[in-house]
Amino acid sequence: QQQVKQSPQSLIVQKGGISIINCAYENTAFDYFPWYQQFPGKGPALLIAIRPDVSEKKEGRFTISFNKSAKQFSLHIMDSQPGDSATYFCAASANFGNEKLTFGTGTRLTIIP
Amino acid sequence: GAVVSQHPSWVICKSGTSVKIECRSLDFQATTMFWYRQFPKQSLMLMATSNEGSKATYEQGVEKDKFLINHASLTLSTLTVTSAHPEDSSFYICSGRGDFGETQYFGPGTRLLVL
Repeated sequence: QQQVKQSPQSLIVQKGGISIINCAYENTAFDYFPWYQQFPGKGPALLIAIRPDVSEKKEGRFTISFNKSAKQFSLHIMDSQPGDSATYFCAASANFGNEKLTFGTGTRLTIIP
Repeated sequence: GAVVSQHPSWVICKSGTSVKIECRSLDFQATTMFWYRQFPKQSLMLMATSNEGSKATYEQGVEKDKFLINHASLTLSTLTVTSAHPEDSSFYICSGRGDFGETQYFGPGTRLLVL
């Protein structure tokens, strides 16, 4: 019940396209859903996060869509650029983020010219 | 965003020796710090959670006598890998969270290679 399932494992998108990564969870106590970006040999960096009281949150080219009834959330990267090539992790936490983060398995995104 | 540093960024040691990794929150007070371990092409695995001035809470399967965590101040936590062995070789990442929100800010990681 603590798992967060992430798909796809890897994704190749053409420059300028839309990258979509999906996550699903079971634990209904989760109420904070961040996305992290990680470059090789570096620590993860927070991209964007959402709480279940909204269905969508947008920051620049990054959008989180959240479906509470389906217990799913996704990251959309618009106008994908080669610099977006990285590994993306979704995560979830309970108690307004005060509990530990449960991470998804990660998606390796490659943007090709 | 808030900044977390780690030192060293990489370390090579001989089997049987101990290694200490420092994690510092540079511009905020991290009341809670977390230590993760990451193997190549895998997700982050939480090892332990520590609150300033308290004993760390270890995840199931993590040996607390092998991975010693100290969170002596609001800006510093240390992870000591005692009697390191080759299987302890990994990427160790810390994160800090302040009282002001739910966000965990991650350090740049420390790569440990045990020969």
